[in-house]
Amino acid sequence: QSALTQPASVSGSPGQSITISCIGTSSDVGSYNFVSWYQQHPGKGPKLMIYEVTKRPSGVSNRFSGSKSGNTASLTISGLQAEDEADYYCCSYATNSYVFGTGTKVTVL
Amino acid sequence: EVQLVESGGGLVKPGGSLRLSCEASELTFTNAWMSWVRQAPGKGLEWVGRIRNRREGGTADYATPVKGRFTISRDDSRDTLYLQMNSLKTEDTAVYYCTALGDREYFQYWGQGALVTVSS
Repeated sequence: QSALTQPASVSGSPGQSITISCIGTSSDVGSYNFVSWYQQHPGKGPKLMIYEVTKRPSGVSNRFSGSKSGNTASLTISGLQAEDEADYYCCSYATNSYVFGTGTKVTVL
Repeated sequence: EVQLVESGGGLVKPGGSLRLSCEASELTFTNAWMSWVRQAPGKGLEWVGRIRNRREGGTADYATPVKGRFTISRDDSRDTLYLQMNSLKTEDTAVYYCTALGDREYFQYWGQGALVTVSS
């Protein structure tokens, strides 16, 4: 199972919106509405930000939103804040397995 | 608050074995599907494997790179998950995270990670 494809880096100024893409295949992203997104700050463990494509866990800011079209999922961060600077990973279920994305470093300018 | 605490990491030679443990608290462990995810130094996340709860069979699935070498097990009486790693390779060097799956298909809770270094 090959990793899902994400841009290596995305940047934006405080207050702006950014979108991170996650490109999979018809065997993973395209087949299941089980895409999730994780935020990871340096030296820390990952944190769940979005699950089942669009759902936000309790406690996650509504500035984070997810969507999917065909084999591509996306994470949008609106009203970018300094604390959003981190690595972000998408993940898709794929028949008794899971595949993660390559990861995107978000920089707040 | 759910806590997952890994232990057992360390330095091991290629071809050697190591067992990681993950103790859960404030989690209905008996009902939970559990999983291991690893992250090589400076690299991205990689799924290692998962185990179902006993009620749904207690069986495990593994990623291709570790199939036949790694074994996931659980002791519900101790709220503890295990990862037995045999025939270790240098490419298995990583931080190993214990995770609890939420409704199966996403990683809801994460531990702090345990570093495994495979080197001669």
